[in-house]
Amino acid sequence: GAVVSQHPSRVICKSGTSVKIECRSLDFQATTMFWYRQFPKQSLMLMATSNEGSKATYEQGVEKDKFLINHASLTLSTLTVTSAHPEDSSFYICSARRAGGGFMGYTFGSGTRLTVV
Amino acid sequence: AQTVTQSQPEMSVQEAETVTLSCTYDTSENNYYLFWYKQPPSRQMILVIRQEAYKQQNATENRFSVNFQKAAKSFSLKISDSQLGDTAMYFCAFIGETSYDKVIFGPGTSLSVIP
Repeated sequence: GAVVSQHPSRVICKSGTSVKIECRSLDFQATTMFWYRQFPKQSLMLMATSNEGSKATYEQGVEKDKFLINHASLTLSTLTVTSAHPEDSSFYICSARRAGGGFMGYTFGSGTRLTVV
Repeated sequence: AQTVTQSQPEMSVQEAETVTLSCTYDTSENNYYLFWYKQPPSRQMILVIRQEAYKQQNATENRFSVNFQKAAKSFSLKISDSQLGDTAMYFCAFIGETSYDKVIFGPGTSLSVIP
């Protein structure tokens, strides 16, 4: 089945530094990838949508200069949290839509727990 | 704008019993897709079941089944013979045909299966 690998699973960084999270589709081509943020005991909040080779589309209220998204290939998307601060601590999840998968072809990564100290 | 509501923040069920999780949604679209996702303590999102709005027959996957009422915009999940491994957050989700890039998630229901 379709697998999305997300790394790292956990990361602790110092305030002011940048952190990169990778999301790879292992056995399929992902035309679109989605990045979500999830606070404890809350639902997933869509941050941005990225299509391979084009700029990401950010949801309202999400700072595009802080959360840099790159989707350079059909199998890899990255989210870089720049100049991280404690309020950026959260659980980040990616999701990939399979090429030709239509509305059914969404697969989630296992998530990244980011702690900024 | 589409919205998804789950009115039960927390639920519990005895092992081997049956439980139903509620979900309602609001949309003006005629064709769309509905999903139930499970998020166990590992936090991996797992697709439980999905339903296409143009299909009248309720979807079933082993112990999981849905009651899809299109007119009422209701999409409940029934879990039969509950198992300890069913303990998780359950999210109802919606994708509209005209905005299929965005999966809209409900707030979730925390289900605890009690031994």
